[in-house]
Amino acid sequence: GAVVSQHPSRVICKSGTSVKIECRSLDFQATTMFWYRQFPKQSLMLMATSNEGSKATYEQGVEKDKFLINHASLTLSTLTVTSAHPEDSSFYICSARDWTGSYNEQFFGPGTRLTVL
Amino acid sequence: GENVEQHPSTLSVQEGDSAVIKCTYSDSASNYFPWYKQELGKRPQLIIDIRSNVGEKKDQRIAVTLNKTAKHFSLHITETQPEDSAVYFCAASRREGLTFGGGTRLMVKP
Repeated sequence: GAVVSQHPSRVICKSGTSVKIECRSLDFQATTMFWYRQFPKQSLMLMATSNEGSKATYEQGVEKDKFLINHASLTLSTLTVTSAHPEDSSFYICSARDWTGSYNEQFFGPGTRLTVL
Repeated sequence: GENVEQHPSTLSVQEGDSAVIKCTYSDSASNYFPWYKQELGKRPQLIIDIRSNVGEKKDQRIAVTLNKTAKHFSLHITETQPEDSAVYFCAASRREGLTFGGGTRLMVKP
C-alpha cells in the first residue's frame, strides 16, 4: 500500500510558539491531503483539505489563521499551528488520497502528538 | 455535511465469539465506507472497506455489510482473538475527507 510519513512524531512547545508539521506521500503523488485532529479517547475530526497549488478548505469551526496549511508539491503538505496554546494539544494525523477509480481511499501518516505547555 | 453514528461505544466479548459494530450515516451521496482499527498512539489502520455498489464484502474473519436504503453499515468480526482488542472506527465519505464515527472500544477476553 501507499506510504505516508509525518514529521515530527512528537513535539512539546511553550505556549505562544508556532509548530510546523510535515506530511509526505513517499511513493505516490497526492494532489489532495487531509488533516485530522484527535483528542484523547475521541474520534478523528477532519480539520481541513489541502489541495496542491491552491488554498486549503477548512471545516466549520477550524480557524484558518491559526492552522496554516501549505501544499507546496504533490508529495508534501504542511500544517503550522500558530501561537499554540494548551488547548491545541492533540494528536494531529494527515492522510493522502490515492484515487482508486472514483472512490476516496486514503492512507494515513503515523501522527504527531503535540503538547503545549 | 455528513454525520456518522457508531454503536456500541464499548464492546466486551469472550475469545472465539463474534463482534458486531454498527454505523449509520446521513449523506445519501456518500459512496465509500472504510473501517479502521486504531491502537493507542498509533495511526488508524484500514481493515476493510466497502463501496456503494456492493452490499457485502468479506476478508477472512472480517466482513462488512452495507444497506444503502437504510443508510447503515456494519462490521462483523468472527472468532475473535485477544489481539483484536483495539478501538474501531467506521467512516463515510464521497469525495472529501472522511467523517468518522465515534469509535468502539473492543475488548476480547481470553
